[in-house]
Amino acid sequence: DQQVKQNSPSLSVQEGRISILNCDYTNSMFDYFLWYKKYPAEGPTFLISISSIKDKNEDGRFTVFLNKSAKHLSLHIVPSQPGDSAVYFCAVYFYGQNFVFGPGTRLSVLP
Amino acid sequence: DAMVIQNPRYQVTQFGKPVTLSCSQTLNHNVMYWYQQKSSQAPKLLFHYYDKDFNNEADTPDNFQSRRPNTSFCFLDIRSPGLGDAAMYLCATSGDRGTNEKLFFGSGTQLSVL
Repeated sequence: DQQVKQNSPSLSVQEGRISILNCDYTNSMFDYFLWYKKYPAEGPTFLISISSIKDKNEDGRFTVFLNKSAKHLSLHIVPSQPGDSAVYFCAVYFYGQNFVFGPGTRLSVLP
Repeated sequence: DAMVIQNPRYQVTQFGKPVTLSCSQTLNHNVMYWYQQKSSQAPKLLFHYYDKDFNNEADTPDNFQSRRPNTSFCFLDIRSPGLGDAAMYLCATSGDRGTNEKLFFGSGTQLSVL
């Protein structure tokens, strides 16, 4: 039973446009949410996070939105750049437990 | 720079031949994790150490063992690798298990089993 779902295995976006990556979770106890970015043959690197007391967090071109009632998380990248092409994992967490990852979405930003 | 280092980047072993993957960290973090990731799947937690306390996930096969001789180092031992154990193995650390923690990952070891 998947606790974290990323229903789009892949996404292609034109350079300069917005990329929107989505993540759904099942357990309302999760209270901390993160996005990781992974290039081929490298480990995931932390991108941005949000706690359950907020509904939006912004860092440069990256914004994460949290809709707790819908148990839905999204990552917006504006404007998208070719260097953003990678696999994006969402991860969820609650106190004292371990991180749970989604299966990832492969983003391709086309020049 | 403080970081998480995994060696080797690529490891080839034979079916049934024991193999050890290593991880070191300069972050002085309390918690070290081992994840297994297969293509197009979520990283799967195998086990973690909270300081010296070992925590095994319920569905981690007995074939997988781990050692943490000190704060900086952690090893993953696969006693008898099978073809299904071919995967990327990721080591990660975090400062604690509280709220607002982040995981810091190494570059991973890609294991092939022949």
